[in-house]
Amino acid sequence: QVQLVESGGGVVQPGRPLRLSCAASGFTFSNYGMHWVRQAPGKGLEWVALISNDGKNKLYADSVKGRFTISRDYSQNTLYLQMNSLRAEDTAVYYCARDRSTSWSLDYWGQGTLATVSS
Amino acid sequence: QSALTQPASVSGSPGQSITISCTGTSSDVGGYNYVSWYQQHPGKAPKLIIYEVGDRPSGVSNRFSGSKSGNTASLTISGLQAEDEADYYCMSYTSSDTWVFGGGTRLTVL
Repeated sequence: QVQLVESGGGVVQPGRPLRLSCAASGFTFSNYGMHWVRQAPGKGLEWVALISNDGKNKLYADSVKGRFTISRDYSQNTLYLQMNSLRAEDTAVYYCARDRSTSWSLDYWGQGTLATVSS
Repeated sequence: QSALTQPASVSGSPGQSITISCTGTSSDVGGYNYVSWYQQHPGKAPKLIIYEVGDRPSGVSNRFSGSKSGNTASLTISGLQAEDEADYYCMSYTSSDTWVFGGGTRLTVL
């Protein structure tokens, strides 16, 4: 069965970097685009980034463009989100999700990992 | 990109039907049939319940249905059950090659 398991969250100071990981299993990783979505405490969902199945196309929300980088490792079946120049407003649970090919929807989600930006 | 507009809360009694609206613009909801809906129970990850405006993934109850008219998409839940109490989010692909969520709607089953 499809499984997505995020890791790498924690407490980090403003301006410092953090890298999140998402281990994928139960499907052919190279066939699917992958997203990151975040949810600040008590708030709604916010789309963060997409990487295409072949890794060639990367799209970002304006709020993270230039600071966050999405990438993937096919040998490890792992999705990454490198977060630099972190701000307090980046504090959130970060979910990775699989793109349901051709429909631009997110059909499987991980359980999320909490990143807290605080001094 | 501004969030899509959803009512903050809706409520209904068991067995009733409710509808949640999701209003965007011609650059997102109105411009594409790539509207999806997600159900999120407290402390849990979101779950896809509707994709491409009105299609249901395998395993999702047919009590959930979706539609769209102009710049507004809608999610209808019929035969309300206690387990439907959750937060619901719409999402749309946009002309900027991004995705945008609605602010979320809390459904209370009375």
